[in-house]
Amino acid sequence: SQQGEEDPQALSIQEGENATMNCSYKTSINNLQWYRQNSGRGLVHLILIRSNEREKHSGRLRVTLDTSKKSSSLLITASRAADTASYFCATESNDYKLSFGAGTTVTVRA
Amino acid sequence: DADVTQTPRNRITKTGKRIMLECSQTKGHDRMYWYRQDPGLGLRLIYYSFDVKDINKGEISDGYSVSRQAQAKFSLSLESAIPNQTALYFCATSDPGTSGRETQYFGPGTRLLVL
Repeated sequence: SQQGEEDPQALSIQEGENATMNCSYKTSINNLQWYRQNSGRGLVHLILIRSNEREKHSGRLRVTLDTSKKSSSLLITASRAADTASYFCATESNDYKLSFGAGTTVTVRA
Repeated sequence: DADVTQTPRNRITKTGKRIMLECSQTKGHDRMYWYRQDPGLGLRLIYYSFDVKDINKGEISDGYSVSRQAQAKFSLSLESAIPNQTALYFCATSDPGTSGRETQYFGPGTRLLVL
């Protein structure tokens, strides 16, 4: 069964706006990761946040993690057309495997 | 990621046929994975291998088998393909090393259609 669930399923924004998507999970984790998938292509790792971290930044990406609520958010600031993709959260638990959510599809309009 | 390659990229087959999907990596990683992706369901783990002598079932292994021929090669077989195995298949690799972080690197995918 899937551990993570993203919300919303789809998001459409204007170029330059911020995009926020959320991920909820069910069991305790070692870390939570976000991946991007361009249409029909392989997933690309974006950022990893450990269970003892609350916030992490990488370029225009900001990830938060609230282990008490078992949730994470990914913020993409100043979005660009090239950010159009599907975004997946993945949780790593004690079995050292990743469990992926169903993803959020982001469309950035020019 | 060009370091992880999959062949074929697209495949159409008929119900009952045996097919093999191949994955090769030049990253030197010990761990390799096979996932399938269906619309609205994200990625689901089929099989994984932590080294050449280690093979493990994932959450949806029924109807599939794998072979780890070498550190760099991990093949997925559908013994008798059925239409509900139509999906996008991904191979991935990882090497947690001393960091213990399971960041995975994905191949470009194989789009399989079973008629």
